[in-house]
Amino acid sequence: AQSVTQLDSHVSVSEGTPVLLRCNYSSSYSPSLFWYVQHPNKGLQLLLKYTSAATLVKGINGFEAEFKKSETSFHLTKPSAHMSDAAEYFCVVSRRSVSGKLIFGQGTTLQVKP
Amino acid sequence: GAGVSQSPRYKVAKRGQDVALRCDPISGHVSLFWYQQALGQGPEFLTYFQNEAQLDKSGLPSDRFFAERPEGSVSTLKIQRTQQEDSAVYLCASSSRQGANTGELFFGEGSRLTVL
Repeated sequence: AQSVTQLDSHVSVSEGTPVLLRCNYSSSYSPSLFWYVQHPNKGLQLLLKYTSAATLVKGINGFEAEFKKSETSFHLTKPSAHMSDAAEYFCVVSRRSVSGKLIFGQGTTLQVKP
Repeated sequence: GAGVSQSPRYKVAKRGQDVALRCDPISGHVSLFWYQQALGQGPEFLTYFQNEAQLDKSGLPSDRFFAERPEGSVSTLKIQRTQQEDSAVYLCASSSRQGANTGELFFGEGSRLTVL
């Protein structure tokens, strides 16, 4: 079975400060891991994905995430928050095989204060 | 447009009515997915098509839910005899690759269903 837990439902940062969104996963198989972002009234957009190559994954808009198998974590970070980063972020796990099923976390709302 | 298009964007139904939600994927995308997103929750998988074949429908919550993609492009999600617990945003996504983790999924903006 697979599952994902986002440890914070809401994160608030000031513009220009670092962002950390935490995600732990559980998987009986070698997982693929993703972060998706959802802006209000917009479709979900892929930020980055880990499938088996480098454990440090770089995504769009300056975000990156590190796969840590020993800690079963895949935390999302960004060195400096921008106002446009305010959105809902989802950590997602999937089996590393041809599969139709992504398992989403509950989401973390990122608030960026001026 | 170039993205995934869903219609209607908003649907209000009386309990017991049937509804149909449409998804136009990106042209040429072989994979199509439906997800259900309840308020304040992450999306939950409903069903997956590869071209016209429905390869996984394990997430459909009951036999009131039915999805089809007869020609391998446009898909329709039908909900019969709607109930209040069906109120959610229904998301459609498509991908140029097989499966969900070999390529990027492109999501539509969703169809928000409210059942009164």
